[in-house]
Amino acid sequence: DTGVSQNPRHKITKRGQNVTFRCDPISEHNRLYWYRQTLGQGPEFLTYFQNEAQLEKSRLLSDRFSAERPKGSFSTLEIQRTEQGDSAMYLCASSLEDREVTEAFFGQGTRLTVV
Amino acid sequence: TQLLEQSPQFLSIQEGENLTVYCNSSSVFSSLQWYRQEPGEGPVLLVTVVTGGEVKKLKRLTFQFGDARKDSSLHITAAQTGDTGLYLCAGDAEYGNKLVFGAGTILRVKS
Repeated sequence: DTGVSQNPRHKITKRGQNVTFRCDPISEHNRLYWYRQTLGQGPEFLTYFQNEAQLEKSRLLSDRFSAERPKGSFSTLEIQRTEQGDSAMYLCASSLEDREVTEAFFGQGTRLTVV
Repeated sequence: TQLLEQSPQFLSIQEGENLTVYCNSSSVFSSLQWYRQEPGEGPVLLVTVVTGGEVKKLKRLTFQFGDARKDSSLHITAAQTGDTGLYLCAGDAEYGNKLVFGAGTILRVKS
């Protein structure tokens, strides 16, 4: 399967702990996006990369969140000092940059529960 | 901020009925995508519409992009229980590079 892959699928952590999620995009895609989704809502944009460059970061993203895409391939999203409000589904998507439209393909997501 | 408003928020219908879901904005979008999402899974791309007035069909699903590229609709004919899910519209912001999502329409089709 050559789709977007996210690990882990589920993560339960205690408040105050750090967590890191990984996303492997579709291999030929040079754009990679992170979204957060709470129950019954649409995905909320967090940040996106074009190759290894982080081009945009949501103003809603606190400084406890950091994302990297060191070699323009896989990406990691780290949340430091987790809070209960961080509990959500974290979605990764990828797309091609040379298309006229942004046709994003999503992974299955990482469900984070902060207890 | 370019907002996409979806309506209705929730729809519960009997198998065999028709339905339409709407996605509206005051902003112009380069394109609009429709996704379907099941609980615990990521959104799955159904269709992309690019040209104002464009109509695309995917089996029993018909997607339309408004002439001014500010709105879109999804029509399902003879709904089936397998159509149950969260339907999301997403816009490719004309001056940006990310997808902005609506809040979604939860569709429940009862047998």
